[in-house]
Amino acid sequence: EAGVVQSPRYKIIEKKQPVAFWCNPISGHNTLYWYLQNLGQGPELLIRYENEEAVDDSQLPKDRFSAERLKGVDSTLKIQPAELGDSAVYLCASSLGRRGRDADTQYFGPGTRLTVL
Amino acid sequence: AQSVTQLDSQVPVFEEAPVELRCNYSSSVSVYLFWYVQYPNQGLQLLLKYLSGSTLVKGINGFEAEFNKSQTSFHLRKPSVHISDTAEYFCAVSVTGGGNKLTFGTGTQLKVEL
Repeated sequence: EAGVVQSPRYKIIEKKQPVAFWCNPISGHNTLYWYLQNLGQGPELLIRYENEEAVDDSQLPKDRFSAERLKGVDSTLKIQPAELGDSAVYLCASSLGRRGRDADTQYFGPGTRLTVL
Repeated sequence: AQSVTQLDSQVPVFEEAPVELRCNYSSSVSVYLFWYVQYPNQGLQLLLKYLSGSTLVKGINGFEAEFNKSQTSFHLRKPSVHISDTAEYFCAVSVTGGGNKLTFGTGTQLKVEL
């Protein structure tokens, strides 16, 4: 079974440029998460989707970040414009999303390492 | 709100020696606890999780962890480490009714030396 797929794996851009990351979750997983991982830190949740609905985006900086999950399968996270401080690893994860389950195992992709120059 | 503290940022250990990675959590409601491992340039992989029941949880690769409610701890142990265990280890917590939101610690870098 394929795991969570993310692309690109690495991205280098200049500040003020836009950038987009793509994630394809494990087949059949209803819940999709985007995390931000700064160097030397643990991941921090940016947004969580239940199917097509963003049910928790309280930590997403909405002035420059946006996300979508059309058709409830793959998802795109966008930054426009990028700032120097956005350099980090962006992780996508997915889980079965069974209703009422607060401890479903989350499966992580390899991440996209963004460098903003 | 819940939080996780991993006091040791780095733990060096010789191969075949035992190791313990410490994790303490804070929460006002019931918790679920997790340990994830991250190898260089890879995503996180679940080692084990505690949901309820027996406080001793066994995971993959010979790791185990013990939930201690009174001490609010969930330390990870392995009786004999291998060079391939060198990686970053993250403790995480989610809470009942929290929508499966994970809060991670800052991680512990385990370095196994020959």
